[in-house]
Amino acid sequence: QQPVQSPQAVILREGEDAVINCSSSKALYSVHWYRQKHGEAPVFLMILLKGGEQKGHEKISASFNEKKQQSSLYLTASQLSYSGTYFCGTNEAQLTFGSGTQLTVLP
Amino acid sequence: EPEVTQTPSHQVTQMGQEVILRCVPISNHLYFYWYRQILGQKVEFLVSFYNNEISEKSEIFDDQFSVERPDGSNFTLKIRSTKLEDSAMYFCASSQLTGTGNQPQHFGDGTRLSIL
Repeated sequence: QQPVQSPQAVILREGEDAVINCSSSKALYSVHWYRQKHGEAPVFLMILLKGGEQKGHEKISASFNEKKQQSSLYLTASQLSYSGTYFCGTNEAQLTFGSGTQLTVLP
Repeated sequence: EPEVTQTPSHQVTQMGQEVILRCVPISNHLYFYWYRQILGQKVEFLVSFYNNEISEKSEIFDDQFSVERPDGSNFTLKIRSTKLEDSAMYFCASSQLTGTGNQPQHFGDGTRLSIL
């Protein structure tokens, strides 16, 4: 069963912050985050393995709450290059991606 | 930086024909994957491959699909009798160690398959 992402789309101005959420009805062992720009391959951002763990990648960070079976991706002071579709992926024996959140950063 | 390479970048095939998509995973990676993305939709897992055999496969990966590692570098996806609904972008990915979730997967640029 695929994880559920919210919101489906978000538009913001350069420098603004955004949060993307990913939740699952099943127990999560790990959460992967990827970004895909139009017409390109998904690019790995980070993996979260432990409950409550936070990781960061430049001004992008994420948290993972095992109990709530959810993860959130935080984009701080967004840049134009952050535009793209963000997918969370949950992994048991195979990586199951959510339906994606389309992020558009305007100048 | 090492990368996953896929060929061709675009394949156009008549319905009912067989097609083979090729991938060269990153050289020290042990797990290989195929994913499919229909235009405008999410990335869907097809199959994972380890130690020369299928590790996991999804419901999408039915009898018309097969994977093979014919030599030490290539990893192929064969679709035996293509259907219109097979039109999609197909991504190959590889990861270094286990396929159980704690390793990043590195994606190739994809092959756009168009079935006419």
